[in-house]
Amino acid sequence: GQNIDQPTEMTATEGAIVQINCTYQTSGFNGLFWYQQHAGEAPTFLSYNVLDGLEEKGRFSSFLSRSKGYSYLLLKELQMKDSASYLCAVLTPSGGYNKLIFGAGTRLAVHP
Amino acid sequence: GAGVSQSPSNKVTEKGKDVELRCDPISGHTALYWYRQSLGQGLEFLIYFQGNSAPDKSGLPSDRFSAERTGGSVSTLTIQRTQQEDSAVYLCASSPTGGPVNTEAFFGQGTRLTVV
Repeated sequence: GQNIDQPTEMTATEGAIVQINCTYQTSGFNGLFWYQQHAGEAPTFLSYNVLDGLEEKGRFSSFLSRSKGYSYLLLKELQMKDSASYLCAVLTPSGGYNKLIFGAGTRLAVHP
Repeated sequence: GAGVSQSPSNKVTEKGKDVELRCDPISGHTALYWYRQSLGQGLEFLIYFQGNSAPDKSGLPSDRFSAERTGGSVSTLTIQRTQQEDSAVYLCASSPTGGPVNTEAFFGQGTRLTVV
């Protein structure tokens, strides 16, 4: 079976740092994505990890530990516009290719 | 086109009617996904097409749901005898490949389906 778990909601203060965790148990693993989704909009790509370690991209960083089935998204210097849902997604094998399976998402509210 | 295009953007239908939702992927993308997103929820996988391979239909919730992809490009998701619980946003995404490389998926704006 496929299981991807994230906290449902988080709140944080403008200017602060927040870490959003994701744990997964999937039948195969070929990479992990983080997407951002603002209310009423389509998800947009944030990051991709396939090897263990930290990938940094500006204010956003993503970490992966394959042995632990664990990833986190780190958002620094939070801005009000970062209020959105953050979706963890895992690439799993499907018929010789890969398919993308999503967690339920974490709604982040940034307040002044 | 420049991005993934879905139509219609909104659809209101009566319970029991059939609906068709359309997705035009990014040109050249071999992989195409359909997801369903209920209000405030995550993305529920429905079906996945990869090139000319048989689609992965493991996420379709019932036999009222079906999808086709003609000529490896445009896809249509059909819901027969719609029920109120089918009300959701249906998102389509495409990616360049489904192979073991970075296969970032690009999403359309979705079709908001309301069954009354």
